[in-house]
Amino acid sequence: RKEVEQDPGPFNVPEGATVAFNCTYSNSASQSFFWYRQDCRKEPKLLMSVYSSGNEDGRFTAQLNRASQYISLLIRDSKLSDSATYLCVVNPEGSSNTGKLIFGQGTTLQVKP
Amino acid sequence: DAGITQSPRYKITETGRQVTLMCHQTWSHSYMFWYRQDLGHGLRLIYYSAAADITDKGEVPDGYVVSRSKTENFPLTLESATRSQTSVYFCASSDFLAGVSYNEQFFGPGTRLTVL
Repeated sequence: RKEVEQDPGPFNVPEGATVAFNCTYSNSASQSFFWYRQDCRKEPKLLMSVYSSGNEDGRFTAQLNRASQYISLLIRDSKLSDSATYLCVVNPEGSSNTGKLIFGQGTTLQVKP
Repeated sequence: DAGITQSPRYKITETGRQVTLMCHQTWSHSYMFWYRQDLGHGLRLIYYSAAADITDKGEVPDGYVVSRSKTENFPLTLESATRSQTSVYFCASSDFLAGVSYNEQFFGPGTRLTVL
């Protein structure tokens, strides 16, 4: 089983739609979680960190479910500019910290006019 | 400019040649990382470094060598390039904050390497 698993998609949605991505992780000791965005083989960029209580940033909402070991990202009112690959990222460390992160393979979103 | 930079951005080389990819960051981050990204594999960690003179292997280290004599630089060397090393290489850095587990990584723009 991969440490971080995502549905690769692609998710094809019309502008204005709401779309949700899920991601599961295998290490229950994982401490921190992120969603990164990557455009067309450019460098990944941090979209948002995922806090235990869930967090929202404009049209984006991230939630964490530790009991089921999954993270979700909800995008409301999709824009054409949201088309990208979204990477689920997990810090697998428990009490130690090597700085390493585990990246999922990404979910591709294509927003159509 | 502040941030993390990589050079060259594009490189074409031949099988058997030695190639060095450069990574430089201006934040004085403790941690630095090298990844490669190929279609169908996502990001794979090659090597990482927790501080100057401290490096360790990642998931796919074979055929690569790293060094870190200064905090801000983390060069990656392909000792004898092979076609299978054709890829996009990303360097990243993050900071160490004692007692804090949030350690997002910041990526450089990448180097596209083609080995003929």
